[in-house]
Amino acid sequence: IVLTQSPATLSLSPGERATLSCRASQSISNTLAWYQHKPGQAPRVLIYGASTRATGVPARFSGSGSGTEFTLTISSLQSEDFAVYYCQQYASWLLFTFGPGTRVEI
Amino acid sequence: QVQLVQSGAEVKKPGASVKVSCKASGYAFMNKFMHWVRLAPGQGLEWIGIINPSGGSTSYAQKFQGRVTFTRDTSASVTYMELSSLTYDDTAIYYCARQDYDDYVGFLGLDVWGQGTTVIVSS
Repeated sequence: IVLTQSPATLSLSPGERATLSCRASQSISNTLAWYQHKPGQAPRVLIYGASTRATGVPARFSGSGSGTEFTLTISSLQSEDFAVYYCQQYASWLLFTFGPGTRVEI
Repeated sequence: QVQLVQSGAEVKKPGASVKVSCKASGYAFMNKFMHWVRLAPGQGLEWIGIINPSGGSTSYAQKFQGRVTFTRDTSASVTYMELSSLTYDDTAIYYCARQDYDDYVGFLGLDVWGQGTTVIVSS
């Protein structure tokens, strides 16, 4: 299963809304997670099951979608949200894949 | 607290092998699958594979089949990743990451990550 993400880079200002897309090459139901990755840090899981926020994740992060089309929305960008975001599928159990990532920059 | 501590940076020549360790603490090691992921310069996250610490079963991404081996030492709560026949393209930061899982909900994501191990392939 191949994941594609768009756009590759999103240039926004603090306070704006960010909409990130992830598309799967075949239907994966809701078996999709989203991660945030900042330079010099380990990635952090934000969303699993396409729409459930992981523990401690702020409410401004939301996920939606099923099948082949998924969206991560950040309702109002904070300075700490500028990072690279990856989607990950786990429909093929024991054969996980990541998307290529979307960089959210100021 | 729950943490994964990885071994230090490595510099290897092309064709050599590298073995990276990941020591778990603060939780029941055998109860959580462990993934390995890498981040190459200018690239995105790449999933390498997964190991079940309880039985030792593994699954690898097709790209790494035949070249990567995951093992574990249950007495020390350590997982190992060995990658052979290194090329310059294997220069990357390698992470171990714990899989969180719930019997009712299922996969909850990779919730705890090691600090990363830099592997440089250079002649």
